[in-house]
Amino acid sequence: EVQLLESGGDLVQPGESLRLSCAASGFTFSSSAMNWVRQAPGKGLEWVSAIGTNTLYADSVKGRFTISRDDSMNTLYLQMSSLRAEDTAVYFCARFLTNRFDYWGQGTLVTVSS
Amino acid sequence: EIVLTQSPGTLSLSPGERATLSCRASQSVSSSYLAWYQQKPGQAPRLLIYGASNRATGIPDRFSGSGSGTDFTLTISRLEPEDFAVYYCQQYSSSVVTFGPGTKVDIK
Repeated sequence: EVQLLESGGDLVQPGESLRLSCAASGFTFSSSAMNWVRQAPGKGLEWVSAIGTNTLYADSVKGRFTISRDDSMNTLYLQMSSLRAEDTAVYFCARFLTNRFDYWGQGTLVTVSS
Repeated sequence: EIVLTQSPGTLSLSPGERATLSCRASQSVSSSYLAWYQQKPGQAPRLLIYGASNRATGIPDRFSGSGSGTDFTLTISRLEPEDFAVYYCQQYSSSVVTFGPGTKVDIK
């Protein structure tokens, strides 16, 4: 059974940093393109970042967020710095298979507020 | 960046009725790179359709997708109680993923 389990979400102040993790199991993580997608409260889905053969970022987080992975631990990370109120969202990790997100985690909530 | 627009914003229907959801792209999208997702409150999105018309594993055949170019459609032939949710389209082009704003299907 495929599982993606996010963790690390928290309440932080503007300007602070936070690292999210996503533990994967049930599929070959090392050969999978992995992504972060976020959803602000009551809003739609926004793609954030991807890691596969290279790393990609949405313009809204470029220069502030860093995606990485540890294939030996089957874990995906998102290091977030200089957090802003508009980064408040549920962050989902998801596998991207060729042209679609086929597996999703349940998400972890990041709240940026003073 | 390709912008996706979904209509209507909300669709109020009764169980058993047919739902037709539209997704329009600001530029042509390869049919191979258009997907649809269902999301219920408090849950992660669930893949329904990929490649514009291919049902994902375990998706009932009352869900179907069609379209090409800039106009795509998700059809639910007969709404079941569990189908009332928000539906998003998604495209992938030039290493950029974008989602539509969603269509909420609620009970009339």
